[in-house]
Amino acid sequence: ILNVEQSPQSLHVQEGDSTNFTCSFPSSNFYALHWYRWETAKSPEALFVMTLNGDEKKKGRISATLNTKEGYSYLYIKGSQPEDSATYLCASYSGGGADGLTFGKGTHLIIQP
Amino acid sequence: DSGVTQTPKHLITATGQRVTLRCSPRSGDLSVYWYQQSLDQGLQFLIQYYNGEERAKGNILERFSAQQFPDLHSELNLSSLELGDSALYFCASSVEGIPRDYGYTFGSGTRLTVV
Repeated sequence: ILNVEQSPQSLHVQEGDSTNFTCSFPSSNFYALHWYRWETAKSPEALFVMTLNGDEKKKGRISATLNTKEGYSYLYIKGSQPEDSATYLCASYSGGGADGLTFGKGTHLIIQP
Repeated sequence: DSGVTQTPKHLITATGQRVTLRCSPRSGDLSVYWYQQSLDQGLQFLIQYYNGEERAKGNILERFSAQQFPDLHSELNLSSLELGDSALYFCASSVEGIPRDYGYTFGSGTRLTVV
């Protein structure tokens, strides 16, 4: 069974500050790592899909890195804004196709004005 | 609007009953995934269909079944419902058979309450 762990579980950040959080996943048979943003009363939206060790992806003030050898990914938010408040999910896919994406429980981010 | 349509949005039913949840994937997507989110749990993978055929299976109970039709919409059937089946059920679609290069597009979910 593939376990995806995210930390911290929740995070309060002052508006304007930068922050980051972690996703760890088993590195064996790794295929892809996904990040999603899930705002309250909406459905999860894809942010990034990364497949190669050392991958870095960026979308505006949000960026992510991937280390497949040690099995972790970081999500960074620069200059947090209130609209960044959401739950950030990561999900891993391993080879074999038996399980689909396995999601972590998410990091709940609250930006305080 | 994500392009993935799930109906109904809310469903309240009694224990022992059977319900059907419906999902229409985004145009052009061939894969449909079903996930369950219970209280304090992450998204739990149930089942995937790709172009009409079952592609992958997760921790789906025997009381649950699904299918994908020729027009690519999918239905998740939940029978002999128990209180513990109360959850938010998400459908997601993707153009790929495996989630390697593209993210999922999620529907808005069906909130099932079993009383």
